[in-house]
Amino acid sequence: EVQLVESGGGLVKPGGSLRLSCAASGFTFINAWMNWVRQAPGKGLEWVGRIRSKANGGTADYAAPVEGRSIISRDDSKNMLYLQLNSLKTEDTAVYYCATDDSHDHWGQGTLVTVSS
Amino acid sequence: QAVLTQPSSLSASPGASASLTCTLRSGINVGIYRIYWYQQKPGSPPQYLLRYKSDSDKQQGSGVPSRFSGSKDASANAGILLISGLQSEDEADYYCMIWHSSASVFGGGTKLTVL
Repeated sequence: EVQLVESGGGLVKPGGSLRLSCAASGFTFINAWMNWVRQAPGKGLEWVGRIRSKANGGTADYAAPVEGRSIISRDDSKNMLYLQLNSLKTEDTAVYYCATDDSHDHWGQGTLVTVSS
Repeated sequence: QAVLTQPSSLSASPGASASLTCTLRSGINVGIYRIYWYQQKPGSPPQYLLRYKSDSDKQQGSGVPSRFSGSKDASANAGILLISGLQSEDEADYYCMIWHSSASVFGGGTKLTVL
């Protein structure tokens, strides 16, 4: 059974940083392209970015609102996905989900990031 | 103009069918895209329902009932999620998604009410 468990959310001040983690199990993580998707309170889904498998270069793509402020990385030895968020803004407040592959066919439960002074 | 536009709400009766549309921005041809659909209930993460590009390129999500199906309306430049035999448990938010210019783009979502 595929399981994705996000962690690392919390309250952070504007301008601060946070590192989110996603622990994956139940599938061959090393082959998976992984995504981060967020959802602001009461709003719709917004893709944050994705990272390719190492076999496909291991590079990442980012959505415009977070490009230059975010880094997606992975540790295939630990089946872990990460999202480093820097220079946080109030509009980054959201539940952050990790999701598998182009289909986003599996999602974690999400972790809440609140950016507020 | 948004890449994907969904009606904000839709109501339908139990047992009826509901057709949820996802209209692509002018200049973006629905014919070349796989359209993905998700269901989200309050307090839960989204659940993948299906993807549809054509009758020969489609995929049903694991465990998703066959009363959920996808199609396209080329004349409207739209993807469609059809839910037949509506049940109260189908009341939820529904999102469409495409990959456009190496980015995953979601529609704004449709809140389906079953009453």
